[in-house]
Amino acid sequence: GENVEQHPSTLSVQEGDSAVIKCTYSDSASNYFPWYKQELGKRPQLIIDIRSNVGEKKDQRIAVTLNKTAKHFSLHITETQPEDSAVYFCAAPYLGAGSYQLTFGKGTKLSVIP
Amino acid sequence: DSGVTQTPKHLITATGQRVTLRCSPRSGDLSVYWYQQSLDQGLQFLIQYYNGEERAKGNILERFSAQQFPDLHSELNLSSLELGDSALYFCASSVGPLADQPQHFGDGTRLSIL
Repeated sequence: GENVEQHPSTLSVQEGDSAVIKCTYSDSASNYFPWYKQELGKRPQLIIDIRSNVGEKKDQRIAVTLNKTAKHFSLHITETQPEDSAVYFCAAPYLGAGSYQLTFGKGTKLSVIP
Repeated sequence: DSGVTQTPKHLITATGQRVTLRCSPRSGDLSVYWYQQSLDQGLQFLIQYYNGEERAKGNILERFSAQQFPDLHSELNLSSLELGDSALYFCASSVGPLADQPQHFGDGTRLSIL
């Protein structure tokens, strides 16, 4: 199956600085990489995703980059704000025969210090 | 609002009991995924249904079972409950059967075993 590793597990930044979270995956057939934001006690919310046919995707202050050769992808948040504080999860699909599951990283707890 | 509805929001019961969690997917989505999230843990995939049929199984205990009905809502049954089953249970839905499509999460059911 797919193995997804996520780093760092915790990240503290000053308001206005940038934050970067990295994930690696093992299945070279993976073709879709979503990022979820989960605030305390709430549901995971899809914030951005990227497919394997592009290298970068941006949406306002967030961006995701993908390096298929190295099998890693990263979430970039610029001009961080206190409301960005949450746990962020990356994920990658395992598309092997008979299996259709999305494997999640263990999460990164981001704290934005005002 | 993700469009995925989960009931109940909270459930408190005792060890050895059986409970049923319910999920209605977004309109137009045919896949339902169930996940377990324990305290300070990531999202563990349990099981997926697509258009009424089981498609993928993750780390689901034998005491747990699920089904998807003709109207596409799904139920997760947990029996012989143990203290360790206390967790947040999320369902997510997507359009098709493959894990390389966006999944949208419901607000979850918080299960507490006393």
